[in-house]
Amino acid sequence: KNQVEQSPQSLIILEGKNCTLQCNYTVSPFSNLRWYKQDTGRGPVSLTIMTFSENTKSNGRYTATLDADTKQSSLHITASQLSDSASYICVVSHYGGATNKLIFGTGTLLAVQP
Amino acid sequence: DSGVTQTPKHLITATGQRVTLRCSPRSGDLSVYWYQQSLDQGLQFLIQYYNGEERAKGNILERFSAQQFPDLHSELNLSSLELGDSALYFCASSVALGPTSYGYTFGSGTRLTVV
Repeated sequence: KNQVEQSPQSLIILEGKNCTLQCNYTVSPFSNLRWYKQDTGRGPVSLTIMTFSENTKSNGRYTATLDADTKQSSLHITASQLSDSASYICVVSHYGGATNKLIFGTGTLLAVQP
Repeated sequence: DSGVTQTPKHLITATGQRVTLRCSPRSGDLSVYWYQQSLDQGLQFLIQYYNGEERAKGNILERFSAQQFPDLHSELNLSSLELGDSALYFCASSVALGPTSYGYTFGSGTRLTVV
C-alpha cells in the first residue's frame, strides 16, 4: 500500500534553533517528493521538490534531503523563526501511468517559541 | 497570492443543505484538483479535472460532485450535508495532466462548517 508517514507528529522548539523533520514512504513507483508548508487555515505552499536523482535541495533556511534507496526524506530548518510555525507536509508523487497521483503525509506541526 | 482563487472563504450551513464551492485555477493551468482536509487530518484527494474532463477520482462521496467549465473554473457541489463534512476544502491547479511540474499550486481554501 502506498503510504507516507511523518515524524514527529508535533514539535516545539525555541526561536533560533535548528530542527529536522522526517518522512518515510512506501510509494512505488516513485516520481518525486515534495515538502509543503501549511500555515493554519491556509493552503499548502511548496518548499522543495526532488526527483529520484536528487538527494538534496535547499530553499533559503529549508534544506530537504532524499534517500531513494531507503525511501526516506528529511526537512532541516536552520535558525528557526516564529514565522516557521506551521504544519510541514511531505507529499510523494506516485507514477500511475497516464497521470501522477500525490500521496500526502499527515504533517508535522511545528511551533517555534520566543 | 498563489493565483488560485477559491470562493467563498468561509461557509456556514445547516445539515441536509447543499453548497457549491468555486475554484478559479492559475492562468494557463488546465488541471484542477479538489482536496478535503478535516480537523487534524491530512489532505484527502477528492477529484481531478483536466480541460473540462474528469480524469481521476479519489475518496469522493456520492453526495459530492464536481465539474470544470469551458473557462476552466471548477465547482465542487456538496449535498445532503452532514456534520462530518465540516472541513477545509482546497483546490489546486497545474498546467499538466499530472502534478509532475513545479506548477502545482494550492488555493487558500474554503472553510465549511455544517451546524
